[in-house]
Amino acid sequence: QSALTQPASVSGSPGQSITISCTGTSSDVGGYNYVSWYQQHPGKAPKLMIYDVSNRPSGVSNRFSGSKSGNTASLTISGLQAEDEADYYCSSYTSSSPPFGGGTKLTVL
Amino acid sequence: EVQLVESGGGLVKPGGSLRLSCAASGFTFSSYSMNWVRQAPGKGLEWVSSISSSSSYIYYADSLKGRFTISRDNAKNSLYLQMNSLRAEDTAVYYCARPRTAGTIFDAFDIWGQGTMVTVSS
Repeated sequence: QSALTQPASVSGSPGQSITISCTGTSSDVGGYNYVSWYQQHPGKAPKLMIYDVSNRPSGVSNRFSGSKSGNTASLTISGLQAEDEADYYCSSYTSSSPPFGGGTKLTVL
Repeated sequence: EVQLVESGGGLVKPGGSLRLSCAASGFTFSSYSMNWVRQAPGKGLEWVSSISSSSSYIYYADSLKGRFTISRDNAKNSLYLQMNSLRAEDTAVYYCARPRTAGTIFDAFDIWGQGTMVTVSS
């Protein structure tokens, strides 16, 4: 049940686009189209932003998009806004558990 | 309104026990599997355990080594986590989370509670 690998931090200026990667194996990210992404602001519960690799729940801005290639999934945020500053976590389906990535802190400069 | 409310957290000594509860409302609780996810202070999210809608299937993180037990009472719309032999490394905010789709076990979690803090310290 190894955690998925994410960069510890990324940053960008308002209006720019950033991408956060999430690397797993063929047993999780690469084996299923069930990658999800969560946003978490300090002291708050996580919020689902992307599910099934590239689908957005109702109410989530279309500035958020997801993709996958092989064992690596990606979350792209376009048109960065100050309120996007938060921690982001990926997760994937496996046959016995839903591992999370270690999390990426996004700083909006 | 779809809602999950955790309770039961607190300060406990190493080796002690604690039972967490999660009260669900606003949806058909008995149709959904449920999950516990924890987050140690300043750390990332860690999946703890999952239970199917009828309690037929139960899964735990390997790191728990049989110390935790997940259960549910569909008549009371409630999820539980019995934690025994607690260690300092179990100190975390514990969240209950609902999957997006009824009937699935490891779907994306679209509903989260506010979390309950568990502190294990002497």
